[in-house]
Amino acid sequence: AQSVTQLDSQVPVFEEAPVELRCNYSSSVSVYLFWYVQYPNQGLQLLLKYLSGSTLVKGINGFEAEFNKSQTSFHLRKPSVHISDTAEYFCAKFTGNQFYFGTGTSLTVIP
Amino acid sequence: DTGVSQDPRHKITKRGQNVTFRCDPISEHNRLYWYRQTLGQGPEFLTYFQNEAQLEKSRLLSDRFSAERPKGSFSTLEIQRTEQGDSAMYLCASSLVRPDTQYFGPGTRLTVL
Repeated sequence: AQSVTQLDSQVPVFEEAPVELRCNYSSSVSVYLFWYVQYPNQGLQLLLKYLSGSTLVKGINGFEAEFNKSQTSFHLRKPSVHISDTAEYFCAKFTGNQFYFGTGTSLTVIP
Repeated sequence: DTGVSQDPRHKITKRGQNVTFRCDPISEHNRLYWYRQTLGQGPEFLTYFQNEAQLEKSRLLSDRFSAERPKGSFSTLEIQRTEQGDSAMYLCASSLVRPDTQYFGPGTRLTVL
């Protein structure tokens, strides 16, 4: 079965500290991976995507993610978080004609 | 680019009633997706259109759910004989090229009493 697993449902982190949000996906012949962010009372917004090419992908707001095929992972990282990064983060996989989303990680940045 | 819009934003209905939601995608986008999102969960795929053709439907989509995209532009999602378990946020997204970025609308929050 196709799946995306986000192991951490909640991640508290102090302001200006680094953060990593973990994502693992079920392997497919072709896979395209995405990270979306959902701020409180707002719609989903794309942070970054991996379609092909370089395994290190840079996105908006200083976020980056690394595609690791052997570990079937696509972890999201930011070297220094801000209060404004507090939000729900979703990892997603596109295969066939469907997107599969993880259950989300709630990132809380503590002042 | 005015983004993806959805109407209504909120809908409260009684169990057994029918409801219909509308999604207007970004004008040049030929692909349109419907999702359902419940509290604490990620969006769950419901169905997918390419132009006016409905190409994929989730096995989770019961016979009470139907979606249309009559002219390849806006889409409607109808739920017949609503149940309390249908209470959720219904999201619409559109994209131009597979598997390019999906742009999400703000969602329609359905509450079934």
